[in-house]
Amino acid sequence: QAVVTQEPSLTVSPGGTVTLTCGSSTGAVTSGHYPYWLQQKPGQAPRTLIYDTGNKLSWTPARFSGSLLGGKAALTLSGAQTEDEAEYYCLLSYSGARLWVFGGGTKLTVL
Amino acid sequence: EVLLVESGGDLVQPGGSLRLSCAASGFTFSDFWLSWVRQAPGKGLEWVANIKQDGSEKYYVDSVKGRFTISRDNAKNSLYLQMNSLRAEDTGVYYCARGPFTVIDLWGQGTLVTVSS
Repeated sequence: QAVVTQEPSLTVSPGGTVTLTCGSSTGAVTSGHYPYWLQQKPGQAPRTLIYDTGNKLSWTPARFSGSLLGGKAALTLSGAQTEDEAEYYCLLSYSGARLWVFGGGTKLTVL
Repeated sequence: EVLLVESGGDLVQPGGSLRLSCAASGFTFSDFWLSWVRQAPGKGLEWVANIKQDGSEKYYVDSVKGRFTISRDNAKNSLYLQMNSLRAEDTGVYYCARGPFTVIDLWGQGTLVTVSS
Protein backbone atom coordinates (compact mmCIF):
# COMPACT_ATOMS: atom_id res chain seq x y z
CA GLN A 1 0.00 0.00 0.00
CA ALA A 2 1.21 3.52 -0.75
CA VAL A 3 2.89 5.68 1.87
CA VAL A 4 1.89 9.33 2.15
CA THR A 5 4.48 11.66 3.65
CA GLN A 6 4.10 14.97 5.48
CA GLU A 7 6.41 17.17 7.51
CA PRO A 8 6.16 15.96 11.12
CA SER A 9 6.08 19.49 12.51
CA LEU A 10 6.19 23.12 11.41
CA THR A 11 6.13 26.44 13.23
CA VAL A 12 4.70 29.70 11.96
CA SER A 13 4.51 33.13 13.55
CA PRO A 14 1.13 34.76 14.07
CA GLY A 15 0.23 36.55 10.85
CA GLY A 16 2.82 34.58 8.93
CA THR A 17 2.56 32.20 6.01
CA VAL A 18 3.40 28.50 5.99
CA THR A 19 3.07 25.72 3.43
CA LEU A 20 2.50 22.09 4.38
CA THR A 21 3.21 19.43 1.78
CA CYS A 22 2.01 15.92 1.05
CA GLY A 23 3.93 13.41 -1.05
CA SER A 24 3.23 9.92 -2.31
CA SER A 25 5.58 6.94 -2.45
CA THR A 26 4.08 6.02 -5.83
CA GLY A 27 5.26 9.21 -7.53
CA ALA A 28 3.96 12.69 -8.13
CA VAL A 29 0.71 13.67 -6.47
CA THR A 30 -1.83 14.71 -9.09
CA SER A 31 -5.41 15.87 -9.14
CA GLY A 32 -6.29 12.21 -9.68
CA HIS A 33 -5.37 11.56 -6.07
CA TYR A 34 -8.19 13.95 -5.08
CA PRO A 35 -6.05 15.43 -2.29
CA TYR A 36 -7.76 16.31 0.94
CA TRP A 37 -6.56 18.34 3.90
CA LEU A 38 -8.07 17.84 7.33
CA GLN A 39 -7.54 19.67 10.58
CA GLN A 40 -7.69 17.99 13.97
CA LYS A 41 -7.43 19.65 17.35
CA PRO A 42 -6.80 17.69 20.55
CA GLY A 43 -9.80 15.69 21.68
CA GLN A 44 -11.80 16.52 18.58
CA ALA A 45 -12.84 14.67 15.46
CA PRO A 46 -11.11 15.58 12.22
CA ARG A 47 -12.59 18.40 10.15
CA THR A 48 -12.22 18.56 6.39
CA LEU A 49 -10.78 21.86 5.16
CA ILE A 50 -9.85 21.20 1.52
CA TYR A 51 -10.97 18.57 -1.00
CA ASP A 52 -10.00 17.73 -4.58
CA THR A 53 -6.72 19.66 -4.35
CA GLY A 54 -8.02 23.16 -3.75
CA ASN A 55 -11.75 23.23 -3.08
CA LYS A 56 -12.96 24.66 0.20
CA LEU A 57 -15.96 23.80 2.31
CA SER A 58 -18.31 26.42 3.65
CA TRP A 59 -16.51 26.47 7.01
CA THR A 60 -12.98 26.68 5.64
CA PRO A 61 -11.37 30.01 6.54
CA ALA A 62 -10.25 32.00 3.50
CA ARG A 63 -6.66 32.02 4.78
CA PHE A 64 -6.34 28.31 3.88
CA SER A 65 -5.69 27.28 0.30
CA GLY A 66 -4.76 24.04 -1.42
CA SER A 67 -2.68 23.40 -4.53
CA LEU A 68 -0.24 21.08 -6.27
CA LEU A 69 3.39 22.12 -5.88
CA GLY A 70 6.44 20.35 -7.22
CA GLY A 71 4.79 16.93 -7.42
CA LYS A 72 3.15 17.22 -4.03
CA ALA A 73 -0.13 18.44 -2.66
CA ALA A 74 0.23 21.60 -0.63
CA LEU A 75 -1.77 23.42 2.01
CA THR A 76 -0.88 27.09 2.43
CA LEU A 77 -1.94 29.09 5.43
CA SER A 78 -1.62 32.84 4.92
CA GLY A 79 -2.04 35.03 7.97
CA ALA A 80 -1.80 32.34 10.63
CA GLN A 81 -3.86 32.74 13.75
CA THR A 82 -3.40 31.10 17.13
CA GLU A 83 -6.54 29.04 16.60
CA ASP A 84 -4.87 27.40 13.59
CA GLU A 85 -2.55 25.48 15.90
CA ALA A 86 -3.53 21.87 15.23
CA GLU A 87 -2.56 18.64 13.52
CA TYR A 88 -3.10 18.67 9.76
CA TYR A 89 -3.59 15.50 7.76
CA CYS A 90 -3.32 14.94 4.06
CA LEU A 91 -5.51 12.24 2.50
CA LEU A 92 -4.92 10.78 -0.94
CA SER A 93 -6.95 8.32 -2.99
CA TYR A 94 -5.65 5.39 -4.99
CA SER A 95 -7.12 2.70 -7.24
CA GLY A 96 -9.88 4.80 -8.68
CA ALA A 97 -10.69 6.49 -5.36
CA ARG A 98 -11.55 3.18 -3.74
CA LEU A 99 -8.50 3.06 -1.47
CA TRP A 100 -7.50 5.99 0.69
CA VAL A 101 -4.30 6.68 2.61
CA PHE A 102 -3.63 9.34 5.21
CA GLY A 103 -0.32 11.06 5.69
CA GLY A 104 1.28 10.88 9.11
CA GLY A 105 0.15 14.41 9.95
CA THR A 106 1.89 17.74 10.49
CA LYS A 107 1.77 19.32 13.91
CA LEU A 108 1.50 23.05 13.26
CA THR A 109 2.56 25.40 16.02
CA VAL A 110 1.66 29.09 15.85
CA LEU A 111 4.25 30.87 17.94
CA GLU B 1 -29.27 18.44 11.84
CA VAL B 2 -26.84 16.48 9.69
CA LEU B 3 -25.14 14.04 12.01
CA LEU B 4 -23.15 10.83 12.36
CA VAL B 5 -23.06 9.16 15.77
CA GLU B 6 -20.85 6.16 16.47
CA SER B 7 -21.44 3.63 19.23
CA GLY B 8 -20.34 0.18 20.31
CA GLY B 9 -16.81 0.88 21.44
CA ASP B 10 -15.69 -1.14 24.44
CA LEU B 11 -12.85 -2.96 26.16
CA VAL B 12 -12.32 -6.37 24.56
CA GLN B 13 -9.72 -9.08 24.97
CA PRO B 14 -7.24 -9.95 22.22
CA GLY B 15 -8.86 -12.37 19.81
CA GLY B 16 -12.31 -11.09 20.66
CA SER B 17 -14.98 -9.47 18.53
CA LEU B 18 -16.86 -6.19 18.55
CA ARG B 19 -19.46 -4.54 16.34
CA LEU B 20 -19.43 -0.78 15.88
CA SER B 21 -22.44 1.17 14.67
CA CYS B 22 -22.80 4.59 13.10
CA ALA B 23 -26.25 6.18 13.06
CA ALA B 24 -26.90 8.84 10.46
CA SER B 25 -29.49 11.58 10.45
CA GLY B 26 -30.35 14.71 8.51
CA PHE B 27 -29.46 13.47 5.03
CA THR B 28 -30.42 10.77 2.54
CA PHE B 29 -28.22 7.97 3.86
CA SER B 30 -28.60 5.71 0.82
CA ASP B 31 -27.13 8.37 -1.51
CA PHE B 32 -23.65 8.19 -0.04
CA TRP B 33 -20.56 6.02 0.17
CA LEU B 34 -19.47 5.72 3.80
CA SER B 35 -16.15 5.07 5.50
CA TRP B 36 -14.56 4.02 8.77
CA VAL B 37 -11.36 5.74 9.89
CA ARG B 38 -9.43 5.00 13.08
CA GLN B 39 -6.83 6.66 15.25
CA ALA B 40 -4.58 4.84 17.68
CA PRO B 41 -3.83 6.72 20.92
CA GLY B 42 -1.44 9.58 20.20
CA LYS B 43 -1.09 8.53 16.56
CA GLY B 44 -2.37 9.65 13.18
CA LEU B 45 -5.50 8.85 11.24
CA GLU B 46 -5.82 5.59 9.32
CA TRP B 47 -8.50 4.88 6.72
CA VAL B 48 -9.98 1.44 7.49
CA ALA B 49 -12.78 0.66 5.04
CA ASN B 50 -15.46 2.08 2.83
CA ILE B 51 -18.73 0.86 1.31
CA LYS B 52 -20.81 1.80 -1.69
CA GLN B 53 -24.36 3.09 -1.42
CA ASP B 54 -25.97 -0.31 -2.01
CA GLY B 55 -23.27 -2.32 -0.23
CA SER B 56 -22.12 -3.97 -3.45
CA GLU B 57 -18.53 -2.68 -3.19
CA LYS B 58 -16.37 -2.74 -0.07
CA TYR B 59 -12.70 -1.87 0.31
CA TYR B 60 -10.33 -2.37 3.23
CA VAL B 61 -6.86 -1.41 4.36
CA ASP B 62 -4.57 -4.45 4.20
CA SER B 63 -4.15 -4.70 7.98
CA VAL B 64 -7.84 -5.51 8.58
CA LYS B 65 -8.66 -7.63 5.52
CA GLY B 66 -10.21 -10.94 6.55
CA ARG B 67 -10.86 -9.71 10.09
CA PHE B 68 -13.14 -6.68 9.69
CA THR B 69 -16.37 -6.42 7.71
CA ILE B 70 -18.07 -3.16 6.80
CA SER B 71 -21.82 -3.24 6.16
CA ARG B 72 -24.83 -0.96 6.12
CA ASP B 73 -28.58 -1.01 6.56
CA ASN B 74 -30.11 1.76 4.49
CA ALA B 75 -33.55 1.16 6.02
CA LYS B 76 -32.09 1.94 9.44
CA ASN B 77 -29.71 4.69 8.27
CA SER B 78 -26.90 2.78 9.90
CA LEU B 79 -23.34 1.80 9.09
CA TYR B 80 -21.55 -1.04 10.85
CA LEU B 81 -18.06 -2.40 11.36
CA GLN B 82 -17.80 -6.00 12.52
CA MET B 83 -14.36 -6.53 14.01
CA ASN B 84 -13.11 -10.07 14.65
CA SER B 85 -9.78 -11.50 15.83
CA LEU B 86 -8.98 -8.18 17.47
CA ARG B 87 -5.39 -7.28 18.23
CA ALA B 88 -3.80 -4.74 20.55
CA GLU B 89 -2.90 -2.65 17.51
CA ASP B 90 -6.60 -2.24 16.70
CA THR B 91 -6.98 -0.08 19.80
CA GLY B 92 -8.11 3.44 19.06
CA VAL B 93 -10.93 5.81 18.30
CA TYR B 94 -13.05 4.74 15.35
CA TYR B 95 -14.76 7.43 13.29
CA CYS B 96 -17.38 7.05 10.61
CA ALA B 97 -17.37 9.53 7.75
CA ARG B 98 -19.59 10.38 4.82
CA GLY B 99 -17.84 9.76 1.52
CA PRO B 100 -15.86 9.21 -0.70
CA PHE B 101 -17.11 9.83 -4.23
CA THR B 102 -18.92 12.77 -2.72
CA VAL B 103 -16.96 15.19 -0.58
CA ILE B 104 -15.77 13.60 2.66
CA ASP B 105 -17.32 16.40 4.65
CA LEU B 106 -19.08 14.85 7.63
CA TRP B 107 -17.44 13.05 10.54
CA GLY B 108 -18.79 11.46 13.67
CA GLN B 109 -17.29 12.10 17.09
CA GLY B 110 -15.82 8.63 17.36
CA THR B 111 -16.08 5.60 19.61
CA LEU B 112 -13.19 4.13 21.59
CA VAL B 113 -12.12 0.52 21.13
CA THR B 114 -9.60 -0.89 23.59
CA VAL B 115 -8.09 -4.31 22.98
CA SER B 116 -6.35 -5.51 26.10
CA SER B 117 -6.26 -8.43 28.50
